[in-house]
Amino acid sequence: GAVVSQHPSRVICKSGTSVKIECRSLDFQATTMFWYRQFPKQSLMLMATSNEGSKATYEQGVEKDKFLINHASLTLSTLTVTSAHPEDSSFYICSARGSLNTEAFFGQGTRLTVV
Amino acid sequence: GQQLNQSPQSMFIQEGEDVSMNCTSSSIFNTWLWYKQDPGEGPVLLIALYKAGELTSNGRLTAQFGITRKDSFLNISASIPSDVGIYFCAGQLRGSNYKLTFGKGTLLTVNP
Repeated sequence: GAVVSQHPSRVICKSGTSVKIECRSLDFQATTMFWYRQFPKQSLMLMATSNEGSKATYEQGVEKDKFLINHASLTLSTLTVTSAHPEDSSFYICSARGSLNTEAFFGQGTRLTVV
Repeated sequence: GQQLNQSPQSMFIQEGEDVSMNCTSSSIFNTWLWYKQDPGEGPVLLIALYKAGELTSNGRLTAQFGITRKDSFLNISASIPSDVGIYFCAGQLRGSNYKLTFGKGTLLTVNP
């Protein structure tokens, strides 16, 4: 299957700082990228959908000013958690699909801990 | 919004046993997918189903897309210890920009 790389895999940051997470499609052009959040022992919750070159579409209840998503190229999307607080600590996962695919492929996830 | 009911929530089985899990939805989907997630990792796609009634195998895994398009099951035959993990079903609706709705997951434990 297609390869999606997410970086970093783990990050610890201080409360009030911002953290950027990268999601790259390594062997295909990602027309659409998705960002999810997953709490321990729970399912994946979609935060936003981004199409290359256009603004992300956020799910209800997700603050777009807090979770900044940029999808500037067909192989890279970034999620920036701004002014992070301990309650933002979670597992963040991206997925990407190409124009020829129905299914999306997931990155390895990023464990964010805000202290 | 759409909701997926996945069951069972968890399973404890002996190595070599067969496993079955399923998902039901209150509304139809055009695509059903089954993923496996290991601790601290992203989900990995196991099987994708695109047509009502479709039965697809991937090694020891078999999944079916229900005729009503509101359900799907995943079977694992002759389980082995590395089958341990969380299995998620996901539904996709045409015209939704390929967004996935996930079930709550089935935690599978295999005792050697």
